[in-house]
Order: sequence, then structure tokens, then C-alpha cells
Amino acid sequence: ETGVTQSPTHLIKTRGQQVTLRCSSQSGHNTVSWYQQALGQGPQFIFQYYREEENGRGNFPPRFSGLQFPNYSSELNVNALELDDSALYLCASSLEERDEQFFGPGTRLTVL
Amino acid sequence: AQSVTQLDSQVPVFEEAPVELRCNYSSSVSVYLFWYVQYPNQGLQLLLKYLSGSTLVKGINGFEAEFNKSQTSFHLRKPSVHISDTAEYFCAVVEYGGATNKLIFGTGTLLAVQP
Repeated sequence: ETGVTQSPTHLIKTRGQQVTLRCSSQSGHNTVSWYQQALGQGPQFIFQYYREEENGRGNFPPRFSGLQFPNYSSELNVNALELDDSALYLCASSLEERDEQFFGPGTRLTVL
Repeated sequence: AQSVTQLDSQVPVFEEAPVELRCNYSSSVSVYLFWYVQYPNQGLQLLLKYLSGSTLVKGINGFEAEFNKSQTSFHLRKPSVHISDTAEYFCAVVEYGGATNKLIFGTGTLLAVQP
């Protein structure tokens, strides 16, 4: 059984650019959640997708957006990057929207 | 809104010594609590979880935690640590909102095991 995978592993962007991060959920899981983990902090919930619909969002501005595809993989898009967006972005999948979450290895984003 | 407090940002301990990592939560409703471990440059791995039932929860790698409702605590313990246990440990609580379940994490505790 394949676990949660994320790509790319590392990414460097400059301020003002846009970025897309990708996540493949664990086999059979239909729910994907995204978290931002700044250096020295715990992960912060960005949003959750269930069956291709956003069904919950944390305290992040609209320039953070996402998609979930029919195969339940997901993308996180961030527009107009700011220096404070530098962080580890974690994706987690679960069997249903209220079930245990399994985390991927993360994408380390650096904004210069 | 729920919150989690990890009282120690770093816990140094010698190999084979016991360790306790502290976690307190704030919630007025039923809680589901988790401990995750994060090794350097990796994602989060679930150590153990409390959903209901016995207040003493056993997890992987010899870790256990005790849910204490009266003290709103969920401290993580291991009787004898190894060098390989050096990692960041996060306590988390689930917050349900409609159809969403999101994890609320503490700020983490770095367990530094010394030889």
C-alpha cells in the first residue's frame, strides 16, 4: 500500500511568484488536508478537501487555494508569494473526512 | 476554539533514562488526542492516539501516554530512551467543524537524547 507522497521535495521561489505543490493521497483515501509548518512551529491547518470540494479552511488568505482531482490527489497553490510563506507544507490524507490523517513527507518552500 | 500547550520546547536526556514530554489541552467537549513524531527533514508519524476507553494509551517505539481529564493533560512517556528517539514531538487535538476535522498542534518539544 503506497503512502502519501508529495512533490517536489524542495522548492525555491522569489517574492511575488506563484507556486503549485502536489500531493497523492494514500490508496482508498478521499480526503486531503494541507498544513503549513513554519520553522520552529507546529503545523497550521490551511484547508481540507473531501470528494473534490473544499469543506473547511483555516486562517489563511485567499491567495492560498487548492484543488482535488477525481483520483483524490490534490494541489496547493499559493499566489503572490511572501517571505513568510517559507515553510514546510504537509499534506495528509484520510479515509473519510473525520478519520485519522496520514501525513506525507512534506515540501520545503523557500521564498527569497 | 481548542488549543494545545507543550510546556517544554526542548528536553535533554541521557540515553536509557526515562522521559516525559508534557502536553495540556483546552477543550470543553470530548477530545481526541494524538502524539506525532517528526524526524529531521521528514513528515509526521503517528506515535499514539486517544479516542476513548482506557486512559493509558500505548503506542509505537515503546512510548505511552496517559489521558487525564481533570488536569486536561496528555503527557507522553518512555521508560528508557535511545539515541534514535531524538526528534521533534508534537501533541495535537482534533477540532471538528461541520464535516471537517482539523488537527490543532502544539509548538513541539525537541527530545535531545545524549550518549
